[in-house]
Amino acid sequence: AQKITQTQPGMFVQEKEAVTLDCTYDTSDPSYGLFWYKQPSSGEMIFLIYQGSYDQQNATEGRYSLNFQKARKSANLVISASQLGDSAMYFCAMRRPRGGYNKLIFGAGTRLAVHP
Amino acid sequence: DVKVTQSSRYLVKRTGEKVFLECVQDMDHENMFWYRQDPGLGLRLIYFSYDVKMKEKGDIPEGYSVSREKKERFSLILESASTNQTSMYLCASFTSTGRTGELFFGEGSRLTVL
Repeated sequence: AQKITQTQPGMFVQEKEAVTLDCTYDTSDPSYGLFWYKQPSSGEMIFLIYQGSYDQQNATEGRYSLNFQKARKSANLVISASQLGDSAMYFCAMRRPRGGYNKLIFGAGTRLAVHP
Repeated sequence: DVKVTQSSRYLVKRTGEKVFLECVQDMDHENMFWYRQDPGLGLRLIYFSYDVKMKEKGDIPEGYSVSREKKERFSLILESASTNQTSMYLCASFTSTGRTGELFFGEGSRLTVL
């Protein structure tokens, strides 16, 4: 069965430093997609970055990059130069390979606190 | 700017009450979803709809039903609310023509059942 695991319930980082949030996934299908979302205290889920299983390069979006290691089935999110506004919950998610309609499976989330 | 709007941010209901959670999207998306979010469990899919009047069960449909009479509106219904349905509910939409296929989420509805 497909599964997403985020082993870090909470992380904290000093402002301006980089931080890595871990995500491992489990699937036997060769075609899948991986997403990271940010959820600030307001509650809205904000899409950050996407990595397709066949993408040759690691995805990057501004200060966000995805360290995709296919053989290890990991898709860690790297946030460079942390800002106070990065304090939030972060969720890793995988598009289910079968069944269509983009039903995502989510991990339990990691709460990131950025300290000044 | 894309928008998914959930009608109620906070609700308090009593056990046994019927509860309606409304969600509207203005992006003409075919697909809409209801997720439930609980600490330590992440988001779990309750129901989704891929077209008007079409619906499919997600991973945890028990105790819930949905309605999609118009493309832009997707309602989650708790026929008889119970305390274990106290949770944050998130509505999302998606279109297959999008670049990456990300879901667009509303701000959530936090439901407390007493």
